Amino acid sequence: SQTIHQWPATLVQPVGSPLSLECTVEGTSNPNLYWYRQAAGRGLQLLFYSVGIGQISSEVPQNLSASRPQDRQFILSSKKLLLSDSGFYLCAERDRGYGYTFGSGTRLTVV
Amino acid sequence: AQSVAQPEDQVNVAEGNPLTVKCTYSVSGNPYLFWYVQYPNRGLQFLLKYITGDNLVKGSYGFEAEFNKSQTSFHLKKPSALVSDSALYFCAVRTMDSSYKLIFGSGTRLLVRP
Repeated sequence: SQTIHQWPATLVQPVGSPLSLECTVEGTSNPNLYWYRQAAGRGLQLLFYSVGIGQISSEVPQNLSASRPQDRQFILSSKKLLLSDSGFYLCAERDRGYGYTFGSGTRLTVV
Repeated sequence: AQSVAQPEDQVNVAEGNPLTVKCTYSVSGNPYLFWYVQYPNRGLQFLLKYITGDNLVKGSYGFEAEFNKSQTSFHLKKPSALVSDSALYFCAVRTMDSSYKLIFGSGTRLLVRP
């Protein structure tokens, strides 16, 4: 089974500061990886996905970027945070059995 | 384009009663459908999925879902609700392109009262 590590669990950052959230996965090689954001405890919005090292697709224009420097590492970044970047960020992996595993999430509050 | 709709923001049910959380989908081709549950400040936990085969899918914690192609629905059900089932439930559909991304419904909050 897959395991996803996300850190930190919570983060409070001032407006205009940089951001780096890291997600690492164990198990399958060359997994599809995803970053989702959940605002106000409801809907999940797909931000980025990656089908391989260095391959990033953005779903919505925004203040964030993503990178995949290694096969099992997926990073979400921002150069300057906005208040609207606050939310709950989830990393996910698609496994070979048509399933998806989600990390425990990072609660980001921009103040 | 694929989409998922969860028409109820909240479902209230008494403990011991059956529960249903509704989901309808729109896809081209055969759908891959999923249900996830989320407890406060936690990640998503997988409940069940429909890929092919029997229309009644059994999952974790006593939940099941019925795939209905003619009604394009995939409702989540449980015969007897528990207070501990209170959580946020998401229905999702997998896209058919190479991204294989999940598209989620807006979520339904289930409240089971003692």
